[in-house]
Amino acid sequence: DTAVSQTPKYLVTQMGNDKSIKCEQNLGHDTMYWYKQDSKKFLKIMFSYNNKELIINETVPNRFSPKSPDKAHLNLHINSLELGDSAVYFCASSGDRAPYEQYFGPGTRLTVT
Amino acid sequence: AQSVTQLDSQVPVFEEAPVELRCNYSSSVSVYLFWYVQYPNQGLQLLLKYLSGSTLVKGINGFEAEFNKSQTSFHLRKPSVHISDTAEYFCAVKGHTGRRALTFGSGTRLQVQP
Repeated sequence: DTAVSQTPKYLVTQMGNDKSIKCEQNLGHDTMYWYKQDSKKFLKIMFSYNNKELIINETVPNRFSPKSPDKAHLNLHINSLELGDSAVYFCASSGDRAPYEQYFGPGTRLTVT
Repeated sequence: AQSVTQLDSQVPVFEEAPVELRCNYSSSVSVYLFWYVQYPNQGLQLLLKYLSGSTLVKGINGFEAEFNKSQTSFHLRKPSVHISDTAEYFCAVKGHTGRRALTFGSGTRLQVQP
């Protein structure tokens, strides 16, 4: 069984469109994350939720809005997509105790044309 | 806040040779340290972690890493690599206090040649 799953795996869309990426974890974790991996493979935290509460909100454009309907799901909605949004987006989850070891999903490769 | 430096962006090595991937970190608090591996078009998989105690940590697939507090390093080693070890390797750090997210290095591409 997949621990952290994301859909879709690939997403190709045009500039100006709105798209969503979904993430689900079946590990019973309380905390979920979105990371962005750019074209140079650099990984950076975007958001984190703990029990549906936003706990990390990096300096990300307002066009990005995370939503956590329950602690097993964390979705990422992106409005007015731009070329620079092209990247791989990874969802991750961790337990509620240090060291907050994180388990990653397979990633969603977003290509904006 | 923490930062991580992976000094080598690419490391080419022949099959069955030993390899070391270097990682240095900076932090004002004590840290947890991790190495993740990313195979092509896949997510990140945890190789090993240092939490406390013994400074030599063993992970999956024959990898090990040594925590050196005085040199603020956490280098990854494998005595004999296989073609299948070709991947991107990321060092990551998290402070004992502060936010829960990991801070990653820029990655090292290990290219194993026959």
